[in-house]
Amino acid sequence: ETGVTQTPRHLVMGMTNKKSLKCEQHLGHNAMYWYKQSAKKPLELMFVYSLEERVENNSVPSRFSPECPNSSHLFLHLHTLQPEDSALYLCASSQVNVMMGLHEKLFFGSGTQLSVL
Amino acid sequence: DAKTTQPNSMESNEEEPVHLPCNHSTISGTDYIHWYRQLPSQGPEYVIHGLTSNVNNRMASLAIAEDRKSSTLILHRATLRDAAVYYCILSPLMDSSYKLIFGSGTRLLVRP
Repeated sequence: ETGVTQTPRHLVMGMTNKKSLKCEQHLGHNAMYWYKQSAKKPLELMFVYSLEERVENNSVPSRFSPECPNSSHLFLHLHTLQPEDSALYLCASSQVNVMMGLHEKLFFGSGTQLSVL
Repeated sequence: DAKTTQPNSMESNEEEPVHLPCNHSTISGTDYIHWYRQLPSQGPEYVIHGLTSNVNNRMASLAIAEDRKSSTLILHRATLRDAAVYYCILSPLMDSSYKLIFGSGTRLLVRP
């Protein structure tokens, strides 16, 4: 148990569906992240939120829409996805000393395995 | 971003030490060296990190070359549970948009 919980663990959706992935961290961290891991490819950083503000959007298509309503919760809203978007979506959190720009280690959830049909 | 080079895979026998190498010849003076590992069906987990000096913790040791162009993660006694993909990552000391960029890593197989 890492203190980062992702739901659902598995999701199957059609290309016209709208769904959301949820991430919750119980570690009191102030930064949260979305990563994508496709089969046989390295993890790709998608979004970074620090103090609930998005500080990184790594050229992700607009069909992926993140939301960070507070420091403990992170969502990834999905709509009109493509089959190539099938992947493991991982959430992570960390503690950031904003004044110093110092970052501590990342804690990852177990991920949501997404299949787009 | 500074890049790292790791072997695609390595094998070890259970209860023997494992030395996982990482080359980072373009490392800058402010880059930390991080190691994470990813067990099957799980997200990555932190293993260890360092800047210049060798580091030890309950999971592993990190040996950093004097010129910092390479490092080695040392598992002192491999267990079957250590079978995972190990990632060596560089990250600046100060980075307002914190980005840990994962490469392909080294897949470690542990033989019973």
